[in-house]
Amino acid sequence: DAGITQSPRYKITETGRQVTLMCHQTWSHSYMFWYRQDLGHGLRLIYYSAAADITDKGEVPDGYVVSRSKTENFPLTLESATRSQTSVYFCASSESSGQGQDGYTFGSGTRLTVV
Amino acid sequence: QKEVEQNSGPLSVPEGAIASLNCTYSDRGSQSFFWYRQYSGKSPELIMSIYSNGDKEDGRFTAQLNKASQYVSLLIRDSQPSDSATYLCAERGNNRLAFGKGNQVVVIP
Repeated sequence: DAGITQSPRYKITETGRQVTLMCHQTWSHSYMFWYRQDLGHGLRLIYYSAAADITDKGEVPDGYVVSRSKTENFPLTLESATRSQTSVYFCASSESSGQGQDGYTFGSGTRLTVV
Repeated sequence: QKEVEQNSGPLSVPEGAIASLNCTYSDRGSQSFFWYRQYSGKSPELIMSIYSNGDKEDGRFTAQLNKASQYVSLLIRDSQPSDSATYLCAERGNNRLAFGKGNQVVVIP
């Protein structure tokens, strides 16, 4: 199916475990992003990528690792999950860079609970 | 750090009325602005983008941008119960979007 897909939709994990959230897009968009959404904080950027093998930190990168070996995939790894990382995680993609009027298209989200 | 502020609390409007949402931003150099709608438990979806000063209309939605005063607004005319959602304002700079915390709109039938 065309679009941007995230998996899993729901995940419960224990403190200290490594968790990887997957994101896949079929448009060959150059830019991909990971946000987390928490009550009282809104959407906050974790990491983003301008192209394969190019990634950069966002507002709240600590405790997360990303990679982008292929244009269509942008996995997010929590190296050692903490309860503060309980959140809803959204992946997004965008065709262009710079100051254009292209917004982002978001995936359906992953609801992660760390116990 | 860029900031996008949406300070209004939940907005309740009667069906058929106009809902008005406001957003201010701190970076005077910001060029592109977006409004997203997010239903409860769903992902944000883009409803409007605006780049130039003035108004931009799309169906029942009108976005307004005032760069001198650094605010963006969204008007929803003839509000419908299906418009009940959280509306997120965002600005684009340095290849990324910065979002406000959102405003909840409740349309009362």
